[in-house]
Amino acid sequence: ILNVEQSPQSLHVQEGDSTNFTCSFPSSNFYALHWYRWETAKSPEALFVMTLNGDEKKKGRISATLNTKEGYSYLYIKGSQPEDSATYLCAFPHDAGNKLTFGGGTRVLVKP
Amino acid sequence: DAGVTQSPTHLIKTRGQQVTLRCSPKSGHDTVSWYQQALGQGPQFIFQYYEEEERQRGNFPDRFSGHQFPNYSSELNVNALLLGDSALYLCASSWGDTAYEQYFGPGTRLTVT
Repeated sequence: ILNVEQSPQSLHVQEGDSTNFTCSFPSSNFYALHWYRWETAKSPEALFVMTLNGDEKKKGRISATLNTKEGYSYLYIKGSQPEDSATYLCAFPHDAGNKLTFGGGTRVLVKP
Repeated sequence: DAGVTQSPTHLIKTRGQQVTLRCSPKSGHDTVSWYQQALGQGPQFIFQYYEEEERQRGNFPDRFSGHQFPNYSSELNVNALLLGDSALYLCASSWGDTAYEQYFGPGTRLTVT
């Protein structure tokens, strides 16, 4: 059983502030790490698929880094806006297939 | 281009009944995976269908079964429903059966009373 953990479970952020949170995963047999954003009443939306140690990806004000040797990834939100309020999920695929093990998510609430 | 669609949106069933949930993948996708999300947890993998066959399965009992049709759409069937089956059921589609970006539907909320 793979253990994928996210911390913190929830985060309250003031509008305009930056924030970050963590996903930890098994460092052996690494294939990829997925990040999703899930807004209430919508479908989870893929943010990044990260595959290489040291990878940094960016999409607007959201960026992510990857350390496969120590088994963690950080997601950063710069200058948080109310529309960034969502649950952010990381997921770790078993082998090369796309059976994903998800972390419990970090729920971000951005206060105006 | 329609994304992943699921039906119904909500469903209420009684313990012991059977339920069928449906999923249409994103255009061009041939692989469908099903996940169960219980309250307060991340989604858990149920199984994956590729080329009309179950290719991978998570730690779910045989009461959970599925099917994929030639048009790549899929069904999830749950027999002998238990209260603990109450959850959001998500369908995800992708191209091929390798670890790449998956597109999720909005889910079906199942409540078992």
